[in-house]
Amino acid sequence: RKEVEQDPGPFNVPEGATVAFNCTYSNSASQSFFWYRQDCRKEPKLLMSVYSSGNEDGRFTAQLNRASQYISLLIRDSKLSDSATYLCVVNRGGSYIPTFGRGTSLIVHP
Amino acid sequence: SQTIHQWPATLVQPVGSPLSLECTVEGTSNPNLYWYRQAAGRGLQLLFYSVGIGQISSEVPQNLSASRPQDRQFILSSKKLLLSDSGFYLCAWAGPQETQYFGPGTRLLVL
Repeated sequence: RKEVEQDPGPFNVPEGATVAFNCTYSNSASQSFFWYRQDCRKEPKLLMSVYSSGNEDGRFTAQLNRASQYISLLIRDSKLSDSATYLCVVNRGGSYIPTFGRGTSLIVHP
Repeated sequence: SQTIHQWPATLVQPVGSPLSLECTVEGTSNPNLYWYRQAAGRGLQLLFYSVGIGQISSEVPQNLSASRPQDRQFILSSKKLLLSDSGFYLCAWAGPQETQYFGPGTRLLVL
């Protein structure tokens, strides 16, 4: 099993739709979890951290399920500008080493 | 606030030529620093990380090396580039809980 796995997509959704991505991880000792957004030919940018209690930032909601070892990202009321690749990041437990998933591509169309 | 610089933005190099990419961070002291490569259509691969001056850890065996001559400077080098070294090279510094903050990247094409 890969350390961090994501469905590459693409997820092709209309404006206004709700879309959800999952990301599974293999290291049960992992302590830190993040979602990043990467636009074409640009550097990844932090979208949000993922906390055990779940967290919300506007239209974006992140959840962590430690028992099943996955994190999720929910985007409500999708905008055209949400089109990007979403990267899941899991830090190896007790180390400085982040592991990136290969990303999930989202295309929001009119 | 913290900022991270990388240069050049784009580089075209012949096979067998040397490489030096530089990354500098401003607004923070003693940051953990990272070099990643993203090949076309692929995920981010961690190449090196550094927790302090002169301290380099390599994640994968390869044709590249890294150095940290100053607290806020991280350099990626190669003596002889291979075609497979082409890619998007990203430098990052780590914030709280090792949150990664990336520079703008260098797009390297080896011909």
